[in-house]
Order: sequence, then structure tokens, then C-alpha cells
Amino acid sequence: GAGVSQSPRYKVAKRGQDVALRCDPISGHVSLFWYQQALGQGPEFLTYFQNEAQLDKSGLPSDRFFAERPEGSVSTLKIQRTQQEDSAVYLCASSAGPGQETQYFGPGTRLLVL
Amino acid sequence: DQQVKQNSPSLSVQEGRISILNCDYTNSMFDYFLWYKKYPAEGPTFLISISSIKDKNEDGRFTVFLNKSAKHLSLHIVPSQPGDSAVYFCAASARYSGNTPLVFGKGTRLSVIA
Repeated sequence: GAGVSQSPRYKVAKRGQDVALRCDPISGHVSLFWYQQALGQGPEFLTYFQNEAQLDKSGLPSDRFFAERPEGSVSTLKIQRTQQEDSAVYLCASSAGPGQETQYFGPGTRLLVL
Repeated sequence: DQQVKQNSPSLSVQEGRISILNCDYTNSMFDYFLWYKKYPAEGPTFLISISSIKDKNEDGRFTVFLNKSAKHLSLHIVPSQPGDSAVYFCAASARYSGNTPLVFGKGTRLSVIA
């Protein structure tokens, strides 16, 4: 497809379980971003890749959160030992590259930790 | 400390009238601003953007105004249509400082009444 896709769309996890969320950016987009959106809030930045390099991970809330983009295309956000406070919508966005500031978002993955 | 603020959680407007959504920011390093529209269970959709070198940008029914001295921007929708009913997010970035992640407000829910 032409847009950003994310899978799964919904994920229910038991507390303590590990989860992996996938993002397929727009083809050819160099920059990829992950955001977390809690209920009633705006998206909050988690981490940023330029190609395969993770240039900024300052928004990751704890060392339980890990992201990778090994071939500079698909990215995975992994959350280890999930906690209830991790429940949120996780949004992925991509842009054409540095200097191209318009980010295009995927539909998000809604994570519920019980 | 919120760097991007949307002080109106909701707004109701009659079909055909003008909708004005407001956004204030505190970080003087921000130099690029965007508006996104979000429907339930979907990711944010890019609407319109403006660079800090401009004070107005127009695209069809949507116009964004930027007042740098007041650190204020607004989105005007004329005429408003029922399909415009959604949550609108204001976002900002400080691209010339190399800081490309977007900082979002909490959103304003617009309801256009037929």
C-alpha cells in the first residue's frame, strides 16, 4: 500500500508478557518515528531512526522499551515485561528524510495490558 | 511542562460557518508547525503546515495563521462540513536545531453540526 502500515492493530497482553509491534513505513522514506498516545493526550515522541541508525531514543520511558530498524525499512518496537501503564496506542510515522518535516502516520497499535 | 498547548478541549460549530482552532507554544526554537486531523481508531492525518518564515498558509478550505511574537497559531476551516468532525492536533518541531520529532498538543475535538 501507499501509506504507513502497522501490525497488529490491537494487542492484549498479560502483565509481564513481552510484545513486539511492527511498522512498515512509506516506501523510500528515510526517517521513521515511534510515538505513544495515552487516552485523551496527544502523541508523545519515543524514538527516531534515520535509515537503520537510531539517532534519538530520548523518549523511551524505560529500558524495557527497545526499537530497531535493521535494514532501514521495517521497524519493530519491543516492550519487555509489560506493565499496565504501557497501555496506550503506539503510532509509527515516516517522512521522506531530514529537511522533510511532514510526518505521515500509520493507524497505530492499541496495546492493552491486563 | 507542556510546550504545545491547545486550551480548548472541544468546539462545536454549525455547518457552513467558520471553525477556528487555536494553539499556543512556549519553545521559541520551534520553527515548523503542522495540523493533523484524527478520526477514532485511525492514525493522525496530515492537514496543513507552516514554516516560521511565513505568517499564513492556505490550502482549500483550510488556512493556518502564525503569530510568532505571540507564539500562537490557528487553523481556520471555512466553510465547516460535518465530515470535518474529528480531533485536531497542533504539532511543532525545531528543525533547524536538528530536532525533528514532533511535539503535540492534547487536541481539540471539533463537532460540526448539520
